[in-house]
Amino acid sequence: DADVTQTPRNRITKTGKRIMLECSQTKGHDRMYWYRQDPGLGLRLIYYSFDVKDINKGEISDGYSVSRQAQAKFSLSLESAIPNQTALYFCATSDSPRLAGADTKNIQYFGAGTRLSVL
Amino acid sequence: GESVGLHLPTLSVQEGDNSIINCAYSNSASDYFIWYKQESGKGPQFIIDIRSNMDKRQGQRVTVLLNKTVKHLSLQIAATQPGDSAVYFCAENRSGGYQKVTFGIGTKLQVIP
Repeated sequence: DADVTQTPRNRITKTGKRIMLECSQTKGHDRMYWYRQDPGLGLRLIYYSFDVKDINKGEISDGYSVSRQAQAKFSLSLESAIPNQTALYFCATSDSPRLAGADTKNIQYFGAGTRLSVL
Repeated sequence: GESVGLHLPTLSVQEGDNSIINCAYSNSASDYFIWYKQESGKGPQFIIDIRSNMDKRQGQRVTVLLNKTVKHLSLQIAATQPGDSAVYFCAENRSGGYQKVTFGIGTKLQVIP
């Protein structure tokens, strides 16, 4: 079984519809992330969460919202989908550094992605 | 998926040859670097990492070289195999309270049988 599971894998929707993408993980990591990936661009951070009560906006959060229902679950919502939100969406997790600045490893583990098309 | 590979630099390599994939990073404050591999239809997968206090690190069939002077990373894959065909991208990371990660665009590696 995958450590980071995203559902659905593919979704086609219409402009104006509300969409939720779900992510669950069995890695026991505190940190979870949502990215989008577009052709010719690097992964861009939408939102990130360091624990259930700590949620932060990333570089492209407009038009998106998130919910951290539990340590293992982090969902991304598009309240009113628009065509330029058509993209590949990835959820990722990472472990917390043991000491701030002392161990800065931030290896992220990704789900298989959700391909979203907004018509 | 396939759309990820569009508009990317592409490196074509004969099976069995060595591959070298390059990456330029932007921030001289970055002190930790990761290479990811993304196969078609899958999410990025960690390959190897390196800290800024090193200039070389070896894994199984892969080597990462870091040149901090010119802010350049390279990933070398020895004896390239068809299963190595994927998009490879580097990520740079900075120390601090939240370790912001910046991902590169990637290079598509095509292995010719």
